[in-house]
Amino acid sequence: SAVISQKPSRDICQRGTSLTIQCQVDSQVTMMFWYRQQPGQSLTLIATANQGSEATYESGFVIDKFPISRPNLTFSTLTVSNMSPEDSSIYLCSVERGNTEAFFGQGTRLTVV
Amino acid sequence: KNQVEQSPQSLIILEGKNCTLQCNYTVSPFSNLRWYKQDTGRGPVSLTIMTFSENTKSNGRYTATLDADTKQSSLHITASQLSDSASYICVVKAGGNTPLVFGKGTRLSVIA
Repeated sequence: SAVISQKPSRDICQRGTSLTIQCQVDSQVTMMFWYRQQPGQSLTLIATANQGSEATYESGFVIDKFPISRPNLTFSTLTVSNMSPEDSSIYLCSVERGNTEAFFGQGTRLTVV
Repeated sequence: KNQVEQSPQSLIILEGKNCTLQCNYTVSPFSNLRWYKQDTGRGPVSLTIMTFSENTKSNGRYTATLDADTKQSSLHITASQLSDSASYICVVKAGGNTPLVFGKGTRLSVIA
């Protein structure tokens, strides 16, 4: 298994500001994944963070809006930049073991006002 | 397009009753199917993982089935408890280095 510490657990932010979400894993992993979960919707992959290289973004997500850092094999951050109310969502980080199991952080519930 | 559809969208049952949640998928090539439980304000937690050759897998009061021919899975919860109230998400992994495909989840409420 993997233990993932994600913070903050929730935040209320003013529009136009930025929020950085942190994710710490208790063991080294090659890839970390960042998801968004909008109310009543399934998890949507934002990007895959690899240590030592640029993150890979999914269609509809861009680095300027969601910059990601991956300074080492146990840590990553996701920044939600220039926020608007449409960015209100739950953001989750995740790691995978082999090809069979994914572990998730507890999520960050973001509300933009 | 790879998709995972779940039904029902929400469900309310009495404590102690059984229920079955459904998952249909159109993911190809198929690698494995997973069921996750997501409590409110928490991240998803794995319940079961099944590969192509597995038809049934249990985890306590949770039993998942998989029919790879019809591309359907179900999650059966026996003798429900109040703590079973959560969203249950069906997730399919395609072959290769591809992202997981998530269903929207079934919101289960168990009431006394």
